[in-house]
Amino acid sequence: DSGVTQTPKHLITATGQRVTLRCSPRSGDLSVYWYQQSLDQGLQFLIQYYNGEERAKGNILERFSAQQFPDLHSELNLSSLELGDSALYFCASSPHGLGLAGFEQYFGPGTRLTVT
Amino acid sequence: GESVGLHLPTLSVQEGDNSIINCAYSNSASDYFIWYKQESGKGPQFIIDIRSNMDKRQGQRVTVLLNKTVKHLSLQIAATQPGDSAVYFCAENTADAGNMLTFGGGTRLMVKP
Repeated sequence: DSGVTQTPKHLITATGQRVTLRCSPRSGDLSVYWYQQSLDQGLQFLIQYYNGEERAKGNILERFSAQQFPDLHSELNLSSLELGDSALYFCASSPHGLGLAGFEQYFGPGTRLTVT
Repeated sequence: GESVGLHLPTLSVQEGDNSIINCAYSNSASDYFIWYKQESGKGPQFIIDIRSNMDKRQGQRVTVLLNKTVKHLSLQIAATQPGDSAVYFCAENTADAGNMLTFGGGTRLMVKP
């Protein structure tokens, strides 16, 4: 158990809908990262938050957004869902994130999103 | 893991043999590298890491080798066990990229009893 929790574990929704995925980092970790793992593209970095502020952005669609709250949990919002958004969404956390390389990221169990 | 559907390279080894999983990374400026193991239905799990100022690091039954000249990383697993069966990903990190990880495509390790 990495100490990172994600809810829900599974989510099935229809195209055009909007969903929110939730992540609670390990106790004491300030950085939260979101990754998408699809069948044809492996693990792709989406976005990072550090202590409530956006720190880095990867291949995140404009239909997707995220935020990190004062208690450091994070939510990933996916809107106008398309079939191609079906994937596993992972959250990871680490203690640091401001230009300090060398800190492993601990991954949660993931949320499996199925868009029908 | 859920990467089951990916056309991943597969390494099949006999239980007890040593395994070597290779990874070519892309960014010569990367300064930190991690190997992750992903079992079916689970998130990636940290195995071992190495910084760019090192060329070898050993853990328990695992060794990571880094060759910066050719941007190559390898993971060696000694005395491979059935529980080692999983998908293995290498990931690289650059400090100026906010600590984001860039993952390689993954290799599926299958251990035959």
